[in-house]
Amino acid sequence: GENVEQHPSTLSVQEGDSAVIKCTYSDSASNYFPWYKQELGKGPQLIIDIRSNVGEKKDQRIAVTLNKTAKHFSLHITETQPEDSAVYFCAARHAQGGSQGNLIFGKGTKLSVKP
Amino acid sequence: SQTIHQWPATLVQPVGSPLSLECTVEGTSNPNLYWYRQAAGRGLQLLFYSVGIGQISSEVPQNLSASRPQDRQFILSSKKLLLSDSGFYLCAWSRGWTDTQYFGPGTRLTVL
Repeated sequence: GENVEQHPSTLSVQEGDSAVIKCTYSDSASNYFPWYKQELGKGPQLIIDIRSNVGEKKDQRIAVTLNKTAKHFSLHITETQPEDSAVYFCAARHAQGGSQGNLIFGKGTKLSVKP
Repeated sequence: SQTIHQWPATLVQPVGSPLSLECTVEGTSNPNLYWYRQAAGRGLQLLFYSVGIGQISSEVPQNLSASRPQDRQFILSSKKLLLSDSGFYLCAWSRGWTDTQYFGPGTRLTVL
């Protein structure tokens, strides 16, 4: 089955710097890759997602890139702010439905933005 | 718009006691529903999913069970809690398999 690895597990940056979180997946049939942000004590919130028919997607300070050949995708946050501090999760989903269509999550990256 | 609710928000239970966590979704019909567990410092582990009333699939055999008595209600249960059941339980919904999953606020369960 699908396996998603996420790096780094912790990341500390200065306010205003960029942050990059990388994920690799194992199943080449996966075609949907969301990123979630989880603040302490809350449920994960979707921040951006990408499907396998595009290589990059941007939403203001957040961007995601996908390399299908290498089977990895990355989250880029520019001009980081203290409120970006949270745990970020990547996930991958197989093209089929049923149990194969379930999201497989990485183990998360704790991002700390220092003022 | 759609909203997802979970209760209780926090729960402290003794080992061996029963458990019932509830999740409801508003503003949509016939959603896919999911239960996840998040242990401290770990990712999200899918426990159960449901594509319709009375249809439950288990991803991980364990001490827990799930039920879907109504279209937009999903319940996580246990007859006897174990210490290892402690964690943050998240409910999620999606319109279908190819759609985004949206998470609820979660329930923090501590088993003592």
